[in-house]
Amino acid sequence: GENVEQHPSTLSVQEGDSAVIKCTYSDSASNYFPWYKQELGKRPQLIIDIRSNVGEKKDQRIAVTLNKTAKHFSLHITETQPEDSAVYFCAALDSGGSYIPTFGRGTSLIVHP
Amino acid sequence: EADIYQTPRYLVIGTGKKITLECSQTMGHDKMYWYQQDPGMELHLIHYSYGVNSTEKGDLSSESTVSRIRTEHFPLTLESARPSHTSQYLCASSAGGFIEKLFFGSGTQLSVL
Repeated sequence: GENVEQHPSTLSVQEGDSAVIKCTYSDSASNYFPWYKQELGKRPQLIIDIRSNVGEKKDQRIAVTLNKTAKHFSLHITETQPEDSAVYFCAALDSGGSYIPTFGRGTSLIVHP
Repeated sequence: EADIYQTPRYLVIGTGKKITLECSQTMGHDKMYWYQQDPGMELHLIHYSYGVNSTEKGDLSSESTVSRIRTEHFPLTLESARPSHTSQYLCASSAGGFIEKLFFGSGTQLSVL
């Protein structure tokens, strides 16, 4: 089965700095890689995703990059703001197979004002 | 409004009680999932369903059971609750096909005394 490793488990930055969260996956059949954000006391919500036929995707201050050869993908947040403080989860799934996402363990991002 | 609903939001019960956590979605999604989220953030898949009359066990060994008699309803039952079941339980759904985005409910925080 798929195995997703996520690092770091905790990331502390100053407001305005950039933050990078990295994930690796094991199953070469995985072709869809979403990122979810979970604010304290709230439900996880999708913030950005990327498919295996794309190397990079951006949405305002967030971007995701994918390296299929190395089987890793990363979330980049630029100009961090206190409201970016949350737990971020990466996931991988094979949309032509089981469709069941495998999640990373989560990264707690803390943005200090 | 189309959404995914979980009840109750909080539940405190005694050891040995039978409980059912409710999950309903009004989005017409085929796939539904139950996750257990521990205080360390990690999401553990305990059950999932591809559609009506389909139920599968997830990665985490669980003493719970689920049913899927109607598309919109996916209840989780614990026959005999124990303190080790204390956790947050998140229900999620997705449309299937090539639409893999998960929509999460607000969760049920269960405490077993």
